[in-house]
Amino acid sequence: QQQVKQSPQSLIVQKGGISIINCAYENTAFDYFPWYQQFPGKGPALLIAIRPDVSEKKEGRFTISFNKSAKQFSLHIMDSQPGDSATYFCAASRNDYKLSFGAGTTVTVRA
Amino acid sequence: DTGVSQDPRHKITKRGQNVTFRCDPISEHNRLYWYRQTLGQGPEFLTYFQNEAQLEKSRLLSDRFSAERPKGSFSTLEIQRTEQGDSAMYLCASSFTQGNSPLHFGNGTRLTVT
Repeated sequence: QQQVKQSPQSLIVQKGGISIINCAYENTAFDYFPWYQQFPGKGPALLIAIRPDVSEKKEGRFTISFNKSAKQFSLHIMDSQPGDSATYFCAASRNDYKLSFGAGTTVTVRA
Repeated sequence: DTGVSQDPRHKITKRGQNVTFRCDPISEHNRLYWYRQTLGQGPEFLTYFQNEAQLEKSRLLSDRFSAERPKGSFSTLEIQRTEQGDSAMYLCASSFTQGNSPLHFGNGTRLTVT
């Protein structure tokens, strides 16, 4: 059973647009919520992460929004670029180990 | 920092054969993880080590799977009597033990069982 549900499965965005990916979780013991980016043939790489004591975290063009009461969090990619075309995974864990991953969202940025 | 290294990158084997994969973590990291990723899915946790001790194993890790980290450095994952359902990408990751330490993944070993 998947502990983290991710949507959409895929999305297409124009260059300069905003990509939004949503995740929901059930386990209230989760206290760490990272997002990973994966390119074909490569392992996942950490993009940005948040803990439940903050509602938003921004790093460059990437922003995580976190809603503890709804048990949801999302990734916003602003000013999307063709180099952002990749698969994005949300994840969650308790005590910083044994990440549970969502099923992934394939983002395609059209030039 | 050479990152997490996995060998081989690709492995094709016939059903019933045994295979072994190797992972070399980032040298300062004392935690090492194995994950499995199938097409169109996120990585699934298999097992993890703190130094040489294997502290947790997923129910996904059947008795045909065994992992070791003999000296707390590199790790091996062996699959005995492979089945077609074992075809997947096997990912290794490492981290420090301390909180806020992100997992660093290798580029994986892609296993194809024919």
